[in-house]
Amino acid sequence: GESVGLHLPTLSVQEGDNSIINCAYSNSASDYFIWYKQESGKGPQFIIDIRSNMDKRQGQRVTVLLNKTVKHLSLQIAATQPGDSAVYFCAEIRKTSYDKVIFGPGTSLSVIP
Amino acid sequence: DAGVIQSPRHEVTEMGQEVTLRCKPISGHNSLFWYRQTMMRGLELLIYFNNNVPIDDSGMPEDRFSAKMPNASFSTLKIQPSEPRDSAVYFCASRREGQRNYGYTFGSGTRLTVV
Repeated sequence: GESVGLHLPTLSVQEGDNSIINCAYSNSASDYFIWYKQESGKGPQFIIDIRSNMDKRQGQRVTVLLNKTVKHLSLQIAATQPGDSAVYFCAEIRKTSYDKVIFGPGTSLSVIP
Repeated sequence: DAGVIQSPRHEVTEMGQEVTLRCKPISGHNSLFWYRQTMMRGLELLIYFNNNVPIDDSGMPEDRFSAKMPNASFSTLKIQPSEPRDSAVYFCASRREGQRNYGYTFGSGTRLTVV
């Protein structure tokens, strides 16, 4: 497989605060990025995507920022709620194959009520 | 829309036994993906199909693993013989060609435990 998953970073945030989850990628052929949310006992769920020709995209309470210079991606969640507690994965699609979604290791977000 | 349906949700089997995992993709989706998730290796793509044809099986661990997609609404992942190191959560996902984004829709997974 192409995924790496040796360690799971964790982030604890107070309810109502903003959360920022970071992700680094290394492949210059990465052309498209997706953030997924995985709740306990469920499959990953699509949150938001961004193409490499963009540097910011906003959704409902979520914003994704892409910095191609340093190969960095972040997911910002505004006014974090208990229901946001989950593991968040950044995933990439490379120009070599738009069929294959390659997942990063994930970050566990815990919201403190 | 019932989503991607996987069965069983949990499977416990003894080492050496054959295991068959099942997946029904979303109607109208023409690409199907099998992933394996473990703490050590995260989410790994095992194999995917386009229009029922296997396109890339480079992620299949070894010959003990096989996958089929006999029609557009059904796929199986088989492990024979199973080993304890196969214990993981196996996800199936599907996608429709031409959909707005490249993301998949995942099923709820099958948690496999080989003892």
